[in-house]
Amino acid sequence: QQPVQSPQAVILREGEDAVINCSSSKALYSVHWYRQKHGEAPVFLMILLKGGEQKGHEKISASFNEKKQQSSLYLTASQLSYSGTYFCGTEWDSNYQLIWGAGTKLIIKP
Amino acid sequence: DGGITQSPKYLFRKEGQNVTLSCEQNLNHDAMYWYRQDPGQGLRLIYYSQIVNDFQKGDIAEGYSVSREKKESFPLTVTSAQKNPTAFYLCASSDGLNTEAFFGQGTRLTVV
Repeated sequence: QQPVQSPQAVILREGEDAVINCSSSKALYSVHWYRQKHGEAPVFLMILLKGGEQKGHEKISASFNEKKQQSSLYLTASQLSYSGTYFCGTEWDSNYQLIWGAGTKLIIKP
Repeated sequence: DGGITQSPKYLFRKEGQNVTLSCEQNLNHDAMYWYRQDPGQGLRLIYYSQIVNDFQKGDIAEGYSVSREKKESFPLTVTSAQKNPTAFYLCASSDGLNTEAFFGQGTRLTVV
């Protein structure tokens, strides 16, 4: 089943913080986060694995709560370049298949 | 520079025609994927391949076919059996499980 992302959309002023959540109805093996700008390819942000390992860019932070079956992406001191749609992809086991959320649209205003 | 290339960027198809979308990567990745993206929705997996000459169906494989004769190439054919093919198609590759996926720039297919 598709993970649920919240909020669906958020509008921020430059410099403000945002949290994007990704919730699953099943126990997660890993969570992947990507950002996509309109008409472009998604760009990798971070992978969080069961057990606590994280792989990703230093300026992005995220959490993975295995008990709650939820991951959160934290965007601090937002910049105009952070605008785009954020997708989480979830794996229930190690089978190469990512199931993607519907996305959270982030708009940053000057 | 290493990367993944999709072509064409825009494609128009007449009703009843088959069309093939190209995806080439020079990253030496074993795994390749095809996704479909509709407005306001996430990515849905059409097919994926973990190794040459092997591929598996994703959630929405009906009306699509793929081949993986070479490691660097994973073309997708949208057949006339696909009733609603108008969408944005993304190809991706990765070095295996739990690694970063690299996406192509996408092909926007429109049925006319």
